[in-house]
Amino acid sequence: QVQLVESGGGVVQPGRSLRLSCKVSGFRFSSYSMHWVRQAPGKGLEWVAVIAYDGSNEYYADSVKGRFTISRDNSKDTLYLQMNNLRDDDTAVYYCARPEEFPYYYYGMNVWGQGTTVTVSS
Amino acid sequence: QSVLSQPPSAPGTPGQRVTISCSGSSSNIGSYYVYWYQHLPGTAPKLLIYRNNQRPSGVPDRFSGSKSGTSASTSASLAISGLRSEDEADYYCAAWDDRLNAWVFGGGTKVTVL
Repeated sequence: QVQLVESGGGVVQPGRSLRLSCKVSGFRFSSYSMHWVRQAPGKGLEWVAVIAYDGSNEYYADSVKGRFTISRDNSKDTLYLQMNNLRDDDTAVYYCARPEEFPYYYYGMNVWGQGTTVTVSS
Repeated sequence: QSVLSQPPSAPGTPGQRVTISCSGSSSNIGSYYVYWYQHLPGTAPKLLIYRNNQRPSGVPDRFSGSKSGTSASTSASLAISGLRSEDEADYYCAAWDDRLNAWVFGGGTKVTVL
């Protein structure tokens, strides 16, 4: 059974950092690119970042570029999102998601975690 | 302002057919697959349609997706037939964009069953 479980969310002050994790099971993690997607309160879904199956390449939304870093440890079946210099508008539920096929980025997400909540507030 | 444009709302009555449009450009919908998601508050998004018009197992055939017929089409649509109360949710289209090197989502359409 394919599962994605996020953790690491919480309340953090503006300007501080937080690292999210996504532990996966039930599939060959090292074959798939992986995504982070978020939803701010009252807003729609916003794609955040994607990382290649082997960690060799990453792409980011303009809203997080230079502040967030996506990474993975294929030996631990775990995806990460390092979030630095957090802002109020980063407050959101963050989901990790796996594409329906590999290896190309243009295959969309078909498996999602339940999400972890990040609140940026002073 | 989302890169993909959807109407903010789509009301319907039980049994009715509702259609949601998704408009993009040659760098996203015109070149890549379109995906549709159903999202209920507090839950994980659910894949409804993949690769423009394919339904994952378990998704009722009341849901159908299409992308306009030309090779350079830049619009897609999701249709829900036989509308039910449990279809009340937010619906999003999404596609890869090779000009932005990013995934882009529509702003979402709230379907309400009157």
